[in-house]
Parts: sequence; structure tokens; C-alpha cells
Amino acid sequence: DGGITQSPKYLFRKEGQNVTLSCEQNLNHDAMYWYRQDPGQGLRLIYYSQIVNDFQKGDIAEGYSVSREKKESFPLTVTSAQKNPTAFYLCASSIDSGLPYEQYFGPGTRLTVT
Amino acid sequence: AQSVTQLDSHVSVSEGTPVLLRCNYSSSYSPSLFWYVQHPNKGLQLLLKYTSAATLVKGINGFEAEFKKSETSFHLTKPSAHMSDAAEYFCVVSGRAAGNKLTFGGGTRVLVKP
Repeated sequence: DGGITQSPKYLFRKEGQNVTLSCEQNLNHDAMYWYRQDPGQGLRLIYYSQIVNDFQKGDIAEGYSVSREKKESFPLTVTSAQKNPTAFYLCASSIDSGLPYEQYFGPGTRLTVT
Repeated sequence: AQSVTQLDSHVSVSEGTPVLLRCNYSSSYSPSLFWYVQHPNKGLQLLLKYTSAATLVKGINGFEAEFKKSETSFHLTKPSAHMSDAAEYFCVVSGRAAGNKLTFGGGTRVLVKP
């Protein structure tokens, strides 16, 4: 059963701690993306990766970091430098970012930082 | 630069009546356009996509959208709303000028009354 998995579904952290969100896909997609969604707003791009060992900043990369060591995996670290980390985080993948293919989304991780 | 404007933040319809969600876009090149649906605390699911083929696009669950270049619009319709259509809907544009990244509208929340 192909798809994108994100874990955990809910995550709670204390302010000042780094936290890593998992994203795995078995669709054999080249490109992967991380988005942030805040209540009543659309999605904003944090980071994206077109191939293994390469990634680019999106529109709101400050306070976040990523790695792409394997094609299937694209973990996102929310660092203590992120001023307002509480949000719903969505991971997505697509066949190839060289063409405007649709993106497939995971179920999301809701992060709450207190 | 590309952008998307969803003209209604909330739409309320009665079950069995038509649904119309309005979307206008701006893009330097011939765009690809998508509609996604998001149920509460879930990821996004692709409803339909336009990629320069037929201007009337049929999607899943009885939804369809019409691409009108002269009006820069891509409105989403469904002839008869079902209770399960209650969700948030996002209009999304992508194009080569923006590196094929997705730009999301702010979303339209649909309420279906029995």
C-alpha cells in the first residue's frame, strides 16, 4: 500500500527543545516537501528536496533544518530558533519537480510547544 | 510571481444543493492548477488538476472545475452537496516560472447543512 507516512500524529515539546518530525514515502518519488499550516491559512513551504543529499529553502525556512540521506526519507527538525513552532506540519512528495506534477500529502503532525 | 485568491473564506450550503467555490489565479506562464480537499486534522487529498488539456476538468466525488484563461479563474463546482463534503478546500497554482512549486490559496471552509 503506497503512500506517505508521518509520525507522530501529535507531538508536544517544551520551549527551547529541538524536535524532529518524520516523513517517509514508498512512492519512489524524487521530490519531497515540508509545509507548515496555521489555523485559517493556506500552506507555506519550509524546505524541499529534488534529489538525495540536496535540498533548498522554501519561503519560511528560518528556524528549521532538514536532511535527505535516503530517497524515501525527509525528516524535519524544528529548532529552538523557530519563534512560533506550534503548527500543523505536512510532508508531501511528487514524481519530479521538473514538471508541475501534483503533490501527494501525508496525514500531518500537529506540534504543540509550550 | 504566481498567486491564488480564493474569494470566499467560508461557504455554507444545504445538502443536495449545488456547491461553488471560487478561485482566481495569477501566473506568468501557462499554469497548472489543482484543487485539494482537507478534512479536519488530515492531510490534503487531490480532487482534480488542470495541466493545459481540456478546460473542463472532472475530479473525484462528483467535483469538476473549469479553467477560464480570459478570467484567470478556476472555480470548483459540484451539482449536489453531500454531508461528507464538509471540509476545507484549497486552490493551488504551479508553474515553471516559480520552479514548479505550489502556491496555495487561503482556503475555503465548506459547511453542509442537513
